[in-house]
Amino acid sequence: DTEVTQTPKHLVMGMTNKKSLKCEQHMGHRAMYWYKQKAKKPPELMFVYSYEKLSINESVPSRFSPECPNSSLLNLHLHALQPEDSALYLCASSQDLRSTVYGYTFGSGTRLTVV
Amino acid sequence: AQSVTQLGSHVSVSEGALVLLRCNYSSSVPPYLFWYVQYPNQGLQLLLKYTSAATLVKGINGFEAEFKKSETSFHLTKPSAHMSDAAEYFCAVSAQLSGGYNKLIFGAGTRLAVHP
Repeated sequence: DTEVTQTPKHLVMGMTNKKSLKCEQHMGHRAMYWYKQKAKKPPELMFVYSYEKLSINESVPSRFSPECPNSSLLNLHLHALQPEDSALYLCASSQDLRSTVYGYTFGSGTRLTVV
Repeated sequence: AQSVTQLGSHVSVSEGALVLLRCNYSSSVPPYLFWYVQYPNQGLQLLLKYTSAATLVKGINGFEAEFKKSETSFHLTKPSAHMSDAAEYFCAVSAQLSGGYNKLIFGAGTRLAVHP
């Protein structure tokens, strides 16, 4: 299995809603990432988990809350989002944080719209 | 600090023509460099990577890139464009962080259009 699977593919939520994005990989990768991508822009790193521990938080607002329940799963919990948070949210994984020689494997993303 | 710069936010070619997408890097250490492709509403797919084994790197879908240290470049080429090559292309470098960690840093992207 060489895929990163993200669900849902599309999500529309109100500013008072609570929702979660899910990401799953079965490649044995020990580093997992959340990226945010606005239209016509490159992906921006949000969070990095290494061996199920949060290693990097790129000063992301607290309305985004990541969680790594086990080595295969990564969640992003969303609460009280703003319309400007609408974007494509990408999950990625790599063998580990110290070796990026193989690059990252990306999921297809969740297209989030905040209304 | 490591970074990449992609020259040209939009490139347009005719079907069958040469594709050349430019990427220059900045790195104080030997870099790991990558090219990714993104089709509309999709994630990023790895096209190829340079990890110091060979300066000419061949990737998927007929793409290749040449690492030129003297020019700090890693341009992406394909001899003959297909309509299906129309997409966004990102160059990326693996950047070293404190603590021995690494992360990918992406260029701004180049949108490739292919005309019949």
